[in-house]
Amino acid sequence: QVQLQESGPGLVKPSETLSLTCTVSGGSISSYYWNWIRQPPGKGLEWIGYIYYSGSTKYNPSLKSRVTLSVDTSKNQFSLKLTSVTAADTAIYYCARGDSSGYNAYWGQGTLVTVSS
Amino acid sequence: DIQMTQSPSSLSASVGDRVTITCRASQGINHYLAWFQQRPGKAPKSLIYAASSLQSGVPSKFSGSGSGTDFTLTISSLQPEDFATYYCQQYNAYPLTFGGGTKVEIK
Repeated sequence: QVQLQESGPGLVKPSETLSLTCTVSGGSISSYYWNWIRQPPGKGLEWIGYIYYSGSTKYNPSLKSRVTLSVDTSKNQFSLKLTSVTAADTAIYYCARGDSSGYNAYWGQGTLVTVSS
Repeated sequence: DIQMTQSPSSLSASVGDRVTITCRASQGINHYLAWFQQRPGKAPKSLIYAASSLQSGVPSKFSGSGSGTDFTLTISSLQPEDFATYYCQQYNAYPLTFGGGTKVEIK
């Protein structure tokens, strides 16, 4: 059974860059689409983007100017960078595995990132 | 973007009740609709994909139906572990979008 685990700083200062990594275990990172989704505390879910194992990406237009996704197949990891963060970026960030249809069946447990000085 | 509208936003029900949640898409999404369950403090868990296919390991008391713009999730007999928030999500087009959620509470 594939498992995903997010990691990274839980506190980021305004205007700085949020960086998170998702480590995939129990399966190869190859042949799947690797997604980031976030959820502000007490609110709904927002899809951030995906990176295919080959490196191709697709981003939510609402965040596209600030988001960069990358993948390291040798480590079975993929990463998220979100620049120029504000308090509105405070959220639980989830990584998820998607198939070619776009369905995300497997999710990590999530990590809370707070943007505050 | 495709807007997903869930109703109701919350409901109260008793153990053993049959519960139905509705999700409407702002444009046709074929059958590219998933349902997720989120318990407090936990990550969303996939229940249904392709509108009506049960994710492996999910009990058969959960069922989904619909196509095009209108979809439903039904829980046949509510149990204590089913009290949670449920989200629909379309994956017919990017960006992927979610409904606002339906919170199922104990009556």
